[in-house]
Amino acid sequence: QVQLVQSGGGVVQPGGSLRLSCSASGFTFSSYGFHWVRQAPGKGLEWVAFIRHDGTSKYYADSVKGRFTISRDNSKNTLYLQLDSLTSDDTGVFYCARDPFWSDYWGQGTLVTVSS
Amino acid sequence: AIQMTQSPSSLSASVGDRVSITCRASQDIRSELEWYQEKPGKAPKLLIYGASRLQSGVPSRFSGSGSGTDFTLTISSLQPEDFATYYCLQDFNYPYTFGRGTKLEIK
Repeated sequence: QVQLVQSGGGVVQPGGSLRLSCSASGFTFSSYGFHWVRQAPGKGLEWVAFIRHDGTSKYYADSVKGRFTISRDNSKNTLYLQLDSLTSDDTGVFYCARDPFWSDYWGQGTLVTVSS
Repeated sequence: AIQMTQSPSSLSASVGDRVSITCRASQDIRSELEWYQEKPGKAPKLLIYGASRLQSGVPSRFSGSGSGTDFTLTISSLQPEDFATYYCLQDFNYPYTFGRGTKLEIK
């Protein structure tokens, strides 16, 4: 069955960096694009980034452009999100999700806390 | 970026009530819209895709309508488990955007 297992969250200081991972199984990873979505505490859902199945196209929300980098390793069936120049506004739960959204496969979420 | 204006931001209703939530897109997005239900500590749950298609396993009391710029999620008869927060998502073009959410509370 399709599984997306996330790791890499934690506490980081403002200005710091973190890399999130999303490990996939149960399907042909290299055939699908992926998204990252986040939710700040008490706030709504925010779409963050997308990467095409072959990694050739990437799209970002304006709020993270230039600070976050989405990538993938198809040989490891793993999706990544590199978070740099973090601020307190980046605190929240991050989810990976397989494209298209209507296929409805999500990771369990991982918490990123930006705090000094 | 396409703006999704969702209303109301909150809604109080009783079990058995019929409720509707709307999303308006800042430009034509055809039928490229999903509706999600969100509960604390859980990944969002897909209810409706393609504006009006009911996701497998979702109760038939949920329905979606609309195309172009105006969309509606309707719950025909509220059940206790439906009290949650609901979001629309446009996946017509990048950057994808969610509505700001509607918190459905028990009256």
